[in-house]
Amino acid sequence: GAVVSQHPSWVICKSGTSVKIECRSLDFQATTMFWYRQFPKQSLMLMATSNEGSKATYEQGVEKDKFLINHASLTLSTLTVTSAHPEDSSFYICSATLPGTPNSPLHFGNGTRLTVT
Amino acid sequence: GNSVTQMEGPVTLSEEAFLTINCTYTATGYPSLFWYVQYPGEGLQLLLKATKADDKGSNKGFEATYRKETTSFHLEKGSVQVSDSAVYFCALKGRSFGNEKLTFGTGTRLTIIP
Repeated sequence: GAVVSQHPSWVICKSGTSVKIECRSLDFQATTMFWYRQFPKQSLMLMATSNEGSKATYEQGVEKDKFLINHASLTLSTLTVTSAHPEDSSFYICSATLPGTPNSPLHFGNGTRLTVT
Repeated sequence: GNSVTQMEGPVTLSEEAFLTINCTYTATGYPSLFWYVQYPGEGLQLLLKATKADDKGSNKGFEATYRKETTSFHLEKGSVQVSDSAVYFCALKGRSFGNEKLTFGTGTRLTIIP
């Protein structure tokens, strides 16, 4: 159980366009989802915490207008990279935890590799 | 704030060697501790976890014990295989509601050679 599906697994886009990444919890309802960014050979950097039905909470230094997060339902959160530039190229990973279980691990999607040309 | 300090890699071992990857943490309160593994091109998979002092998490031959007195959660395996080659992340999670985000270590790249 506790499967998180992320789509697409990879995407190539032109500079200036926007890209949407979807994160779904398949067999549980996730009131909270997390979006991470991973640079090559580096650790994961938390970008934002996505809360169902309310605005996302962004980490310091993450541009809210650049990385739009929508958590419209208990099973879906989306990250939209707006007006993408080559420096936005990265591996983006979403995760979710079972609600009301502070000891439980986060379950991760398989990530989306974004390449901006 | 919370932080995780993890042994830097890369680590290269021969097959059947003994593995230790060190992890220490600083946290407010009493966190839960995790090891995640990331295979090339993939997301993270939970390897094992421990939620209280002296708990031992284990999976696929890997073990880690929650040591409150030394604030450590070192990962060990007695005999590694080529298929264990991956990046390993130590992480902690706050226990209180609203503090459920994971804090990761920097990751340790492990390569096992036949």
